[in-house]
Amino acid sequence: GAVVSQHPSRVICKSGTSVKIECRSLDFQATTMFWYRQFPKQSLMLMATSNEGSKATYEQGVEKDKFLINHASLTLSTLTVTSAHPEDSSFYICSARLVLKTQYFGPGTRLTVL
Amino acid sequence: SQQGEEDPQALSIQEGENATMNCSYKTSINNLQWYRQNSGRGLVHLILIRSNEREKHSGRLRVTLDTSKKSSSLLITASRAADTASYFCATDAEGTGSRLTFGEGTQLTVNP
Repeated sequence: GAVVSQHPSRVICKSGTSVKIECRSLDFQATTMFWYRQFPKQSLMLMATSNEGSKATYEQGVEKDKFLINHASLTLSTLTVTSAHPEDSSFYICSARLVLKTQYFGPGTRLTVL
Repeated sequence: SQQGEEDPQALSIQEGENATMNCSYKTSINNLQWYRQNSGRGLVHLILIRSNEREKHSGRLRVTLDTSKKSSSLLITASRAADTASYFCATDAEGTGSRLTFGEGTQLTVNP
């Protein structure tokens, strides 16, 4: 089956720093990647949709200047949490999709902001 | 906001019993999918049921879809301790470009 990886799996940073999370589709080319956020014991909330070579589409309430998304190639999308604060601590999950096929989810990145 | 609502929020059963989880949604859909998530891990895709399908099976999993009631159920038969996880439904709503909206999830605990 299709494999999506995320790096890093865990990151701890100080308040005010920026953190970059990578999402890679390992064995297929993903025209679209999605970024989700999941708080403890809650469901996944879609943050943004990114299509290769174009600007990401953000969900209502998600600050695009705070959560920078770059989808520079068909196998890589990055999410940068800028000037992170403790309330940004969460589990960030990406998924990748080829055209209108099934989404394949990455293993997630646990971000802890001190 | 999340479209899907799932019940129960938590379910605790004994090994060998069946587990049934329900999901309701609000808009017209292309398909509905069920995912499993072990604590602190990523999602595993379990099954997809299209809007023109009423029932689908995969191993010990049985999914039903009632588009008139905008609801779906996931049945896990002969449960095992390893089935302990959170289960989420996700809808691919019409006109959303195949974006998924997740339900609140059911935490299933199977006791050995």
